[in-house]
Amino acid sequence: QVQLQESGPGLVKPSETLSLTCTVSGGSISGYYWSWIRQPPGKGLEWIGYIYYSGTTNYNPSLKSRVSISVDTSKNQFSLRLNSVTSADTAVYYCARGGPSLFDPWGQGTLVTVSS
Amino acid sequence: DIQMTQSPSSLSASVGDRVTITCQASQDISNHLNWYQHKPGKAPKLLIYDASNLKAGVPSRFSGSGSGADFTFTISSLQPEDIATYFCQQYDNFPFTFGPGTKVDMK
Repeated sequence: QVQLQESGPGLVKPSETLSLTCTVSGGSISGYYWSWIRQPPGKGLEWIGYIYYSGTTNYNPSLKSRVSISVDTSKNQFSLRLNSVTSADTAVYYCARGGPSLFDPWGQGTLVTVSS
Repeated sequence: DIQMTQSPSSLSASVGDRVTITCQASQDISNHLNWYQHKPGKAPKLLIYDASNLKAGVPSRFSGSGSGADFTFTISSLQPEDIATYFCQQYDNFPFTFGPGTKVDMK
């Protein structure tokens, strides 16, 4: 079955860029949409954006000016970049297959802390 | 953005109890609603899609209903492995939004 695993730095300094990669195993990245979702400590889930395997993207307007999602079909990976981070970007970041309807499956999530 | 609310925010129930969670959208979202289960440290899991469709392989004690703005998620007979947080998600409008979650504990 398809499995997703997030990877990347767990600590990012304020004003710098958060970069995460999601590696898809057990299936091809082709033919599907892929999303990033986050959950700040003690808060609800927030959809960040999705990318189609062909490269078409759609972002949450609240983050659109700072976010970029890309895909590398040769590596079966997709990535998230969020620039100019602040403490408000501290969250568990999840990758998931899906958008524009359901998300299934999800990765386990990775905690990214924004702190100097 | 469409706001999603859930009630209760938490509940305690015994093995075998019927558990009901409600999710309300701030506007009509037709049946464009999904339900997920999330256990700490694990990947969230899709249980119900399009408000009432059970994902293949998910136990039949889980069910969903509703349309428009009001939805219900039910566990017909709570099992110990069902201890988790359950949340709803709408995909009727961008951006997709999630309910705040309902934490289910064992009494």
